[in-house]
Amino acid sequence: KQEVTQIPAALSVPEGENLVLNCSFTDSAIYNLQWFRQDPGKGLTSLLLIQSSQREQTSGRLNASLDKSSGRSTLYIAASQPGDSATYLCAVRGTSYDKVIFGPGTSLSVIP
Amino acid sequence: NAGVTQTPKFQVLKTGQSMTLQCAQDMNHEYMSWYRQDPGMGLRLIHYSVGAGITDQGEVPNGYNVSRSTTEDFPLRLLSAAPSQTSVYFCASSLKSRWGSSNYGYTFGSGTRLTVV
Repeated sequence: KQEVTQIPAALSVPEGENLVLNCSFTDSAIYNLQWFRQDPGKGLTSLLLIQSSQREQTSGRLNASLDKSSGRSTLYIAASQPGDSATYLCAVRGTSYDKVIFGPGTSLSVIP
Repeated sequence: NAGVTQTPKFQVLKTGQSMTLQCAQDMNHEYMSWYRQDPGMGLRLIHYSVGAGITDQGEVPNGYNVSRSTTEDFPLRLLSAAPSQTSVYFCASSLKSRWGSSNYGYTFGSGTRLTVV
């Protein structure tokens, strides 16, 4: 059974800092891993999708890496801004029955 | 292009009532799924479907039914609502993953906030 964890559960940083969010999964048989952002009371917005054959993906100030063999992904946010404050979730799509399983999320607060 | 549409956005039910949460997508996605999101529990998979006529259970299927008669629609039925089903429900869709082809990401609806009293 695939299990996905995220560390830390919560993070508070001053504006301008670079930061790293971590996602771990137990079954390396995956199609892809996707990072989402969720603002309070809102739905999920896709940030980055990394295919199982890729090592990383970049979009603006965001960079996500994937190490499938060790069951880890990191989301790097450069020069954080107050607008980055949200919950960040990773989701793993397994090759077994195509299920997508989410981690519990990291709640990020960027202080002006 | 509407994407994934969920209705209603808000609903209050009495214990024992039944209702259907609607989910529709216009992207010709084969894969559709339902999640519930609760504080401290994250997003948990209720049911999913890899195509019309095919459904399967996720992590927390008890108390919910689904059917997939068309590619576009994937309704979630609460058979007899209980306070434990108070939650925010999200529907999501994607193209079905296949070996040797591009891997596809998920698109989410905006959610249904359900309260059972």
